[in-house]
Amino acid sequence: GENVEQHPSTLSVQEGDSAVIKCTYSDSASNYFPWYKQELGKRPQLIIDIRSNVGEKKDQRIAVTLNKTAKHFSLHITETQPEDSAVYFCAASMGSARQLTFGSGTQLTVLP
Amino acid sequence: NAGVTQTPKFRVLKTGQSMTLLCAQDMNHEYMYWYRQDPGMGLRLIHYSVGEGTTAKGEVPDGYNVSRLKKQNFLLGLESAAPSQTSVYFCASSYSTSGGSNHEQYFGPGTRLTVT
Repeated sequence: GENVEQHPSTLSVQEGDSAVIKCTYSDSASNYFPWYKQELGKRPQLIIDIRSNVGEKKDQRIAVTLNKTAKHFSLHITETQPEDSAVYFCAASMGSARQLTFGSGTQLTVLP
Repeated sequence: NAGVTQTPKFRVLKTGQSMTLLCAQDMNHEYMYWYRQDPGMGLRLIHYSVGEGTTAKGEVPDGYNVSRLKKQNFLLGLESAAPSQTSVYFCASSYSTSGGSNHEQYFGPGTRLTVT
């Protein structure tokens, strides 16, 4: 089955700096790569996603890049704010039911 | 629209007891999923369904059963609870044939289960 590795497990940045989280996946059949933000005690919320036929996608301060050859994708958050502090999960989707395999998460802390 | 709802929100069970978690969605989604989330780990897929009357095993199905008798509901059952099943359980749904994102999964608020 699919395996998704996520790094780093924790990340601290100063407010206003950029944050980058990286994921690798194992199955070249995966074709959809979402990123979720989860605040303490809350449900995961989709923040951005990318499909395998696109190399980069941007939404305001958030961007995702995908390298299919190397089987890795990354989340970039610019101009970080304290409210960006949360756990971020990457995932990869494959199969007819679009099942998601998640990474282990990154605890992002934005220091004021 | 309520989106995806789960009941109950919290539950404490003794080892060997049984229970059913209910997930309901009002978005006319075809696909539904049950995940568990343990501390320091990502979500892991337990079972999923691609339509009414269908179910399939995910990554960690042992000790759980599911049923999808109605399109809007997906039930997760624990027949004989074990301490290893202490976790937060999330339900999700996706894919409507009437349009919208075909891939995005919408999550419920979660059920925190403790087995003692």
